[in-house]
This record gives sequence, structure tokens and C-alpha cells, in this order.
Amino acid sequence: DTAVSQTPKYLVTQMGNDKSIKCEQNLGHDTMYWYKQDSKKFLKIMFSYNNKELIINETVPNRFSPKSPDKAHLNLHINSLELGDSAVYFCASREAGELFFGEGSRLTVL
Amino acid sequence: SQQGEEDPQALSIQEGENATMNCSYKTSINNLQWYRQNSGRGLVHLILIRSNEREKHSGRLRVTLDTSKKSSSLLITASRAADTASYFCATDAGGTSYGKLTFGQGTILTVHP
Repeated sequence: DTAVSQTPKYLVTQMGNDKSIKCEQNLGHDTMYWYKQDSKKFLKIMFSYNNKELIINETVPNRFSPKSPDKAHLNLHINSLELGDSAVYFCASREAGELFFGEGSRLTVL
Repeated sequence: SQQGEEDPQALSIQEGENATMNCSYKTSINNLQWYRQNSGRGLVHLILIRSNEREKHSGRLRVTLDTSKKSSSLLITASRAADTASYFCATDAGGTSYGKLTFGQGTILTVHP
């Protein structure tokens, strides 16, 4: 059983396009996150939701918009994609301080 | 700015040897965690050590924490080829930042059979 699942796993698109990444967790956790991992493997938090409510919003361009329809889902929509958006995006959920990560969605902007 | 800095950036050892990775951080923490990432995969939680703890063990893993030096180390004993992965430390500052983990850039461990 996949605990935190993300789709798609790979996404290749042109600059200027809009794309979405979906995330679902079946662990019953209240808190979910989006992290971005760049080409140097540096992981940076983007957003966090607790029970559908936004609680962390780092300095992220407003082209990135998270949406949490319920506490098991946290989606990420990106408008007007830029070359610098190319990265691996990880969804995670949290329990007792520990994060459970999805397998990542590798976004390549051409 | 980045909270955790890891050392070394890359480590190459033979199977059976021990591997030690270090992490330094800048601000006060509630806890520090270590994660492992296999190539092309997500991160997997290994161990969490709280700020009032000095050492913690889990199987072949031993983590130490020195809050006075703002540093932690991860020791993997009797390494195996399957331990080949990137290892990240992550700090949780607690308080209003509870749950917001700040990651280091990781140590790439290669264990040769």
C-alpha cells in the first residue's frame, strides 16, 4: 500500500504552460507539505497545510498555488512555468514530527 | 538561509566499514532528524533525536547530538552495499515553526561490495 502517492512521476512541458501535481496520503495524517528539491539535491519547504488550512507559505512565487480539498489531498498548481521551476517536487505528510515522503514528481521545463 | 550543513559531501567506503556523517546547524532546535534518499526515490525517515537527548540508537544506526556545538553525527556500523544512498539531516526549530523541517544538502554515501 502506497502511503503518500504523487502523480505524475515525470512531467515535461514547455515554458509558459500551466501544470498540476497531485498528492494523496492514506495515513490519516492532518499535516501535509510540498518540498522542492533542486539539481544540487537541496530540499526547501514550499507550503504546509494542516487539516485543509494553509499554515506555512514560504517565499514562493505566486505562480505556485497549493490546494487541499480535504486533509488526505494536497495538490500543487503551477502557472506560467519557467525554466527555473525544473526540479523534483516532493509531497509529504507528518506524524509526531516525522515526515513521510512521496516518491517525487520530476518536472522538466523546456 | 540553509540551516543544516553536512560533512562530508561524499563518502566512499568498503562493505563492512563504518560510515560517519556530520551535520551542523545554526539556530536552536526542538529536534533533529536524519533521512535517507535512494537515487530517484523519496526520502525515508531514519531517526529523530530531541534537543534534550545526546545519543540514540536504531539497529545499525547511532545518532549523537551536541546542542552546545550545534552539531549531530550519524554513524552507520557494518555498512552494506544497500546502504548506498544520500543521507540528509533536518532540523525542526519547534514553536511556531514546529513541523517545518530545514534540510542540509546531504552526504552521498557509496558502499562498495
